[in-house]
Amino acid sequence: AQTVTQSQPEMSVQEAETVTLSCTYDTSESDYYLFWYKQPPSRQMILVIRQEAYKQQNATENRFSVNFQKAAKSFSLKISDSQLGDAAMYFCAYRRSGTSYDKVIFGPGTSLSVIP
Amino acid sequence: DVKVTQSSRYLVKRTGEKVFLECVQDMDHENMFWYRQDPGLGLRLIYFSYDVKMKEKGDIPEGYSVSREKKERFSLILESASTNQTSMYLCASRDRGLEVRGYTFGSGTRLTVV
Repeated sequence: AQTVTQSQPEMSVQEAETVTLSCTYDTSESDYYLFWYKQPPSRQMILVIRQEAYKQQNATENRFSVNFQKAAKSFSLKISDSQLGDAAMYFCAYRRSGTSYDKVIFGPGTSLSVIP
Repeated sequence: DVKVTQSSRYLVKRTGEKVFLECVQDMDHENMFWYRQDPGLGLRLIYFSYDVKMKEKGDIPEGYSVSREKKERFSLILESASTNQTSMYLCASRDRGLEVRGYTFGSGTRLTVV
């Protein structure tokens, strides 16, 4: 069965600095999707960034980028120029591709604090 | 603005009560999901549905049931609420044909069973 691990329950970063959140996953599939979701105190879960496993290029969305290491099954999230609004729970997630009916598997989450 | 709406933000129920959590989406999505969120455990899938009147068990279906009579509405039912069902419940939906897009989530219902 696929699993997603986030080894950092809590992280903190100074405002304007860079922080990296770690994620590893386990799968025997070769084609899949990886996601990072953000859940602020408002509780509305928001998709931050996604990566398709067949693409070698790391995804980037403004200040958010990933380091996708397929062989190592690692998918870390880098937040540059951290802002107060980045404080949230961050969930790494995995989904197998090629089926319309499959579920997303989430990691346990990392709580990120941003220090002014 | 497209959205997933969960009818209650906070809910307090008594042990043994039958509890209904409602979720409605306006995006014409085929797939809908109910997750439970607990600290340190992340999100765990309870049930999902990929069409009207269709349902599939997730990882932790015990003590729960679901209903999907209309495409836009997916209800989670706690047949006899227990204190270990105190949790945050998140509803999500997804366009079946757009795998890469991930989910759209509701704002969650924090259920307390006393």
